Amino acid sequence: DAKTTQPTSMDCAEGRAANLPCNHSTISGNEYVYWYRQIHSQGPQYIIHGLKNNETNEMASLIITEDRKSSTLILPHATLRDTAVYYCIVRVYGGSQGNLIFGKGTKLSVKP
Amino acid sequence: NAGVTQTPKFQVLKTGQSMTLQCAQDMNHNSMYWYRQDPGMGLRLIYYSASEGTTDKGEVPDGYNVSRLKKQNFLLGLESAAPSQTSVYFCASSETVLSGYGYTFGSGTRLTVV
Repeated sequence: DAKTTQPTSMDCAEGRAANLPCNHSTISGNEYVYWYRQIHSQGPQYIIHGLKNNETNEMASLIITEDRKSSTLILPHATLRDTAVYYCIVRVYGGSQGNLIFGKGTKLSVKP
Repeated sequence: NAGVTQTPKFQVLKTGQSMTLQCAQDMNHNSMYWYRQDPGMGLRLIYYSASEGTTDKGEVPDGYNVSRLKKQNFLLGLESAAPSQTSVYFCASSETVLSGYGYTFGSGTRLTVV
């Protein structure tokens, strides 16, 4: 699976959009981009995933560049409850390895 | 709410003791996983089960064993606990092992080995 690079930490003002970048320059054509987050001491929570088209759900939007070498997770109106570590994960669909590789992620702090 | 339930939430063991961490899911998911998370680190996969009755090693399986006799349950055993196994253990489940989509995690078991 391709390696991902994320900033260690970011701040965002409450009510503003939080844009979390992820670099995955070695991504291959059959690898998806997944985003999870982990609020302090809790288990990770699935947010969104995509292959090459932009995706949106009730939690967030995922923007993937045309060359697929990077992506951005957007939380449109960040709240204090969005303070968490956000993990960008790249993984191929199929196979039986069963592993989601969680790196260190980006610690997002939403401030009042 | 439905989801993944882990028991116990907290446990202190003495070196050499054994115990079983229990995980139950009520979403009829086919695949289940055990991860550990050490302070300041990401999660690392210990074992996973693609389907009922099957198990496979993950990244850090040494010192652990698992059992998936029922679809809804996935047990993680420590035969002889060591201080290096002090960690937070998370169980997760998903519809299939083929995709990274929609894993549901439990709230964790905080294990200290003294």
